[in-house]
Amino acid sequence: DAKTTQPNSMESNEEEPVHLPCNHSTISGTDYIHWYRQLPSQGPEYVIHGLTSNVNNRMASLAIAEDRKSSTLILHRATLRDAAVYYCIPSGNTGKLIFGQGTTLQVKP
Amino acid sequence: NAGVMQNPRHLVRRRGQEARLRCSPMKGHSHVYWYRQLPEEGLKFMVYLQKENIIDESGMPKERFSAEFPKEGPSILRIQQVVRGDSAAYFCASSPQGPRSNQPQHFGDGTRLSIL
Repeated sequence: DAKTTQPNSMESNEEEPVHLPCNHSTISGTDYIHWYRQLPSQGPEYVIHGLTSNVNNRMASLAIAEDRKSSTLILHRATLRDAAVYYCIPSGNTGKLIFGQGTTLQVKP
Repeated sequence: NAGVMQNPRHLVRRRGQEARLRCSPMKGHSHVYWYRQLPEEGLKFMVYLQKENIIDESGMPKERFSAEFPKEGPSILRIQQVVRGDSAAYFCASSPQGPRSNQPQHFGDGTRLSIL
C-alpha cells in the first residue's frame, strides 16, 4: 500500500481557491489517486479521482504530477461547507481504502 | 436515489452484550465495505463483502466480530460480547462494481456504538 503525506491542517478564506497537496511517492503504476472528505459527524464523501491526467468535476479539480508522485486537490472557491478533513488515497484493486490522517481544512468567513 | 443507509445511528450496549449494525447499500450496489473509526483515530478497513461472500476480512478482529451480506436484506456487522474498546463509529460503504472498476465507494453516515 502506498504511503501518503499530507499537511495536518490548512486554512482558507471563504470564496478563495484552496490547493490541498498530497505526496504519494511509493504509488504503484496502476493505483488511482482518490480523494475523499469527511465533514464532522458524517461519513466520508467521495470528491474526485484520477490516474494520470488532470480531472475536473463539479466539486473540485485534481492535478496529478507527471511522475505521479504527488497530486493536488483544488477547490476553486472555498465555502464554509467545505470545512472538513480531506484524505488522499492511492487505491489499487483490492477495495480496501487506506485512510491516513488527512488534512483538516478550516474555512474562515 | 437513496444513499447508503445505516441503522441505528446510535447504539448503546453494556459490556458483554451483542451489537448488530445494519447497512443497506445504494440501489444496484452489490459490493459492501465496513470501516471503523476509533475516537481520535482515522478510519480503518474491516471487511469487504459481495452478495453472500466475504471477499477480504483482513481488517476484522480475529474474535467476536463477524459480517454477512445475505442474498436478501442488509449487510450486518455483528459484535459479540462487546467491550469498552469496541466504542467507535462504524461506517459502511457500497459500490456498484468491484474494486477493479475503480469506481468510488459511497459511504453511509455511520453507527456510533457506545459501550457502558
